[in-house]
Amino acid sequence: AQSVTQPDIHITVSEGASLELRCNYSYGATPYLFWYVQSPGQGLQLLLKYFSGDTLVQGIKGFEAEFKRSQSSFNLRKPSVHWSDAAEYFCAVGAYGQNFVFGPGTRLSVLP
Amino acid sequence: DVKVTQSSRYLVKRTGEKVFLECVQDMDHENMFWYRQDPGLGLRLIYFSYDVKMKEKGDIPEGYSVSREKKERFSLILESASTNQTSMYLCASSYRDRISRYTFGSGTRLTVV
Repeated sequence: AQSVTQPDIHITVSEGASLELRCNYSYGATPYLFWYVQSPGQGLQLLLKYFSGDTLVQGIKGFEAEFKRSQSSFNLRKPSVHWSDAAEYFCAVGAYGQNFVFGPGTRLSVLP
Repeated sequence: DVKVTQSSRYLVKRTGEKVFLECVQDMDHENMFWYRQDPGLGLRLIYFSYDVKMKEKGDIPEGYSVSREKKERFSLILESASTNQTSMYLCASSYRDRISRYTFGSGTRLTVV
C-alpha cells in the first residue's frame, strides 16, 4: 500500500537553529516527492519537489530536501530557522496519473 | 497569479443541513480535488474530478457528493451535515497529469453544531 510517514508530530527549535523534518514513503511506482507548508488558517504552498536528477533539491524560503532511494526518504532541511517558518509541513508522494498521498504533517514551533 | 478560490473561509452549520462548499480555479486545469484535513491525519481525498461532469471517489467519499458543471467550478456537497464532518476542507486543481501545477485554495473551516 502507498503511504507516507512523518515520524515527528511536533518539533520545537530555537530561531537560528538548524532544522530537519523527516519523511519516509512506501510507493510502488517511481515516486515524485513534494514538501508543502501550511501557515495557520491558510492553504498549502509548495516548498519544493523532486522528479528526477540531482537528489538534493532546492526550494523556496531557503529550504532544501534530499532524496535517498535506498532509505525511501525525502527529508526537509533548513540551516537557520526564522520565526516565520513556524507552520505545519506536509510531505507528499505522487506519480503521473495517480493521486497524491500525503503524510500526517509535522508542526514546527520556533522559539525566540 | 494563478488562483484557487474557496468561497468561504469559515462556515457554521447545523446538524442535518445541506451544505455546499464552492471552489473556483482560473488556470483552466482539467483536474479538481476536494480534501479533508484533520489533525494527525494529514489530507485525505474525498472526491476528484478529471473533467466536466466526471468524478471519482477518493479515500473517504461517504457522506459527501460533488458537482462539476463547469470546468472552473467544483462543489462539495454535504447532503445532511453531521458533527463528525466538522473539519478543514481544502480544494485543489492541477493539470491532467495530476502532478503539474498542483495548487491549493486557502481552505474552508466548517463547524457543524
